[in-house]
Amino acid sequence: EAGVTQFPSHSVIEKGQTVTLRCDPISGHDNLYWYRRVMGKEIKFLLHFVKESKQDESGMPNNRFLAERTGGTYSTLKVQPAELEDSGVYFCASSQVVNRGLTGELFFGEGSRLTVL
Amino acid sequence: DAKTTQPTSMDCAEGRAANLPCNHSTISGNEYVYWYRQIHSQGPQYIIHGLKNNETNEMASLIITEDRKSSTLILPHATLRDTAVYYCIVRVAGRDDKIIFGKGTRLHILP
Repeated sequence: EAGVTQFPSHSVIEKGQTVTLRCDPISGHDNLYWYRRVMGKEIKFLLHFVKESKQDESGMPNNRFLAERTGGTYSTLKVQPAELEDSGVYFCASSQVVNRGLTGELFFGEGSRLTVL
Repeated sequence: DAKTTQPTSMDCAEGRAANLPCNHSTISGNEYVYWYRQIHSQGPQYIIHGLKNNETNEMASLIITEDRKSSTLILPHATLRDTAVYYCIVRVAGRDDKIIFGKGTRLHILP
């Protein structure tokens, strides 16, 4: 079974340009999460989808970031316009919806490394 | 904010058991203890989780104290590939909430 896949693995853009990161969750996983790790810092939560709905977007840094999950399958994270401080590794994770009091572990992709020059 | 406290780094000789401690003194009755790790620049990887009983799987064992205020992750026979940052996380059971990463413990396996 395929894991969480992310594209591109690495993107280098100039300040002011736009980048779109894509995440394909594990099939059947309704929960999809985005995280970011800036160099030297902790892994930070960005937002959480349940199917196509944004359940929690408390970690989105500002309105230059737009996440979508049309149809409740894959998700995109667009940064427009990109700034230098947006450089980092963006991780996507997915999990099954919890039921009967059980918790579900998150499965992470390998990340998309964004470098803004 | 993370609700756990872990040592910044630890060393362990290859082939020995690596014991990684975690304090979670404010854990609530409905919160599980989860462990994840991140090997170099890869995505975080789930290891194990537990509520109050000790747990074991093919990767590790999790020992939770009776008062649930601390736990220990045990890698029984550490290899060089276990060199990673290990994160201890508490998370409410029965919900799909995000997990919050702290600073973790950087484990170095020494040859």
